[in-house]
Amino acid sequence: ETGVTQSPTHLIKTRGQQVTLRCSSQSGHNTVSWYQQALGQGPQFIFQYYREEENGRGNFPPRFSGLQFPNYSSELNVNALELDDSALYLCASSSAGQGITGELFFGEGSRLTVL
Amino acid sequence: KQEVTQIPAALSVPEGENLVLNCSFTDSAIYNLQWFRQDPGKGLTSLLLIQSSQREQTSGRLNASLDKSSGRSTLYIAASQPGDSATYLCAPEVGNMLTFGGGTRLMVKP
Repeated sequence: ETGVTQSPTHLIKTRGQQVTLRCSSQSGHNTVSWYQQALGQGPQFIFQYYREEENGRGNFPPRFSGLQFPNYSSELNVNALELDDSALYLCASSSAGQGITGELFFGEGSRLTVL
Repeated sequence: KQEVTQIPAALSVPEGENLVLNCSFTDSAIYNLQWFRQDPGKGLTSLLLIQSSQREQTSGRLNASLDKSSGRSTLYIAASQPGDSATYLCAPEVGNMLTFGGGTRLMVKP
């Protein structure tokens, strides 16, 4: 059974650029959640995708957007990067239904640095 | 808005001690609560999931309890080992969203 995988592991961008982060969910999981973790803090919920539809969103601006594909893999896109976007971006998958997340399984994260 | 507090923020203990990590949350209408472990620069590993109808869950040396009405959960680690050194995070779920505390950074010294 393959766990959650994320790419790239590290990347550096400059302010104003755009970035796409990718996530493959664990086999059998239909729900993907994205979290942002700033240094020294707990993760913060960005949004969740269930069966290719956005299924909940945290307090993040519209320049944070996402997609989920028919194979349940997912992308997180961030436009007009700001310095404060520097963080570890975590993808997590689960197999619960639409109204509940259930046990979450996380990937190793993508470390984004914005200069 | 759910707010989660973890106490203590950091803990350093000698090997072999039994430990208690505390988590409190403000919105008691939770579906479940998860405890995670995070090693430096890494992703999160799920340790225990307690459903809202349960009082506790156990896995090996770990035991987590949940008191939903008072908004508290406790993670008990028995006979701590240096390999337990990590940050421990709790996260109650309300409406498909997990809210994380700031974590407890644990160091177990040989």
